[in-house]
Amino acid sequence: NAGVIQTPRHKVTGKGQEATLWCEPISGHSAVFWYRQTIVQGLEFLTYFRNQAPIDDSGMPKERFSAQMPNQSHSTLKIQSTQPQDSAVYLCASSWDWAETLYFGSGTRLTVL
Amino acid sequence: GDSVTQTEGPVTVSESESLIINCTYSATSIAYPNLFWYVRYPGEGLQLLLKVITAGQKGSSRGFEATYNKETTSFHLQKASVQESDSAVYYCALGALNTGNYKYVFGAGTRLKVIA
Repeated sequence: NAGVIQTPRHKVTGKGQEATLWCEPISGHSAVFWYRQTIVQGLEFLTYFRNQAPIDDSGMPKERFSAQMPNQSHSTLKIQSTQPQDSAVYLCASSWDWAETLYFGSGTRLTVL
Repeated sequence: GDSVTQTEGPVTVSESESLIINCTYSATSIAYPNLFWYVRYPGEGLQLLLKVITAGQKGSSRGFEATYNKETTSFHLQKASVQESDSAVYYCALGALNTGNYKYVFGAGTRLKVIA
C-alpha cells in the first residue's frame, strides 16, 4: 500500500498561470478530501468527494478553483490564474468512508511568483 | 461555524518531562462526532496518532493518551514522559455530521520541541 500519492511535490508558477495538482487516493477508499495549509490559516478544508461524486465544495474559492474526480483512482485540483496568495501546501486525503480516519498525502507545495 | 482550539505553540519540554496539549471544540450542531489527534513528524506527512469515537472513552498510542470529554468539549493530549523523537506538530481534529455533510475541522496545530 503506497498511501495517498500527490504529484508534483513542488510546483512553481508565475502569477496568472494555471496549476493542476494530482492526487491518487488509497485503493478502495471512497472519500477524497482536499485541504490547503498555510502558516496563517492552518489547515483549511476545500472540497470532498464520496464515491467520485462532489459532496461539499464550501471551502473552495469560487472563481478560480475547481476539483474533479473522473475515476476512483485520481482526483485533480485546478487553480486558474494563480495569485501569490494561492501559495500554500495543498493536501489530499482519503478515507474508507466518511467519518473514518483520514490518510494524508505528502502534499504539493505551490509557489506563485 | 465549528471550530477547534488547541494550545498555541511552540511548546518546549525537556526529555522525560510530562506533556499536555489542550484541545477544545465548539460546534453549532453536530452528530456522530469523532475526535482525532494527528501528528506531522519532521520530513513526514500528516498521520493519525489516535482517535476516539465515543464520549468518555480514552484513546492511546505511542505513549500518548487523550480522553473525549463531552461535558467540557475537550480532548487534551497527554504523555507522562516525552522523548526527543516526539518533536513534531500535533493537530487536534473534530469530525462530525453537520447539515448533511461529514466535516473534519482541524486546530491550528501545536509545534512541540523536546530537548535533551
